[in-house]
Amino acid sequence: AQKVTQAQTEISVVEKEDVTLDCVYETRDTTYYLFWYKQPPSGELVFLIRRNSFDEQNEISGRYSWNFQKSTSSFNFTITASQVVDSAVYFCALRRPRGEKLVFGTGTRLLVSP
Amino acid sequence: EPEVTQTPSHQVTQMGQEVILRCVPISNHLYFYWYRQILGQKVEFLVSFYNNEISEKSEIFDDQFSVERPDGSNFTLKIRSTKLEDSAMYFCASSDRESSYNSPLHFGNGTRLTVT
Repeated sequence: AQKVTQAQTEISVVEKEDVTLDCVYETRDTTYYLFWYKQPPSGELVFLIRRNSFDEQNEISGRYSWNFQKSTSSFNFTITASQVVDSAVYFCALRRPRGEKLVFGTGTRLLVSP
Repeated sequence: EPEVTQTPSHQVTQMGQEVILRCVPISNHLYFYWYRQILGQKVEFLVSFYNNEISEKSEIFDDQFSVERPDGSNFTLKIRSTKLEDSAMYFCASSDRESSYNSPLHFGNGTRLTVT
């Protein structure tokens, strides 16, 4: 069975601090797909990034970076120099090959205060 | 940028009533989904739909639920006889699967269903 664990339920930081959101996943598949979504207070789900299990190159995009470690089954997400607008719930999700559903973690609520 | 559109944004209904939640997926997408999120909880998969049929469904998606693509643009979720525990935010999503299974799902803004 597939499972995504986001152990951090809520994180509070002050603006301009760096923050890392943890995601640990479980799957028996050797190929799989990982995603991060953001849910701001307005409620919509916004796609942030995807990563294939066979692509272990980590990436930086502006203030966002991702650290995919297959050996530890982790797909962590870092926001550098956080801003108040980053306040949201962040969901990590897993998808198996030839499977339709995204399996979501329980989410991490990030509160960035001025 | 094209987006998934859901209507209504909020639906209030009485227990036992039928509701239809509507979605207009992104126009060139071929794969459609419904998810739900009970308040404060995680997002749960309900059903996926491709080529005019259900391709996968969860245990939540029982006989009270049905989906339909009545024309070339709309994708609906019907709940026949609503229960209090159906109160949740319902998200529609679509994807093009252009890049196989790593194509992201694009979600609508959701319909908040309140069953009283």
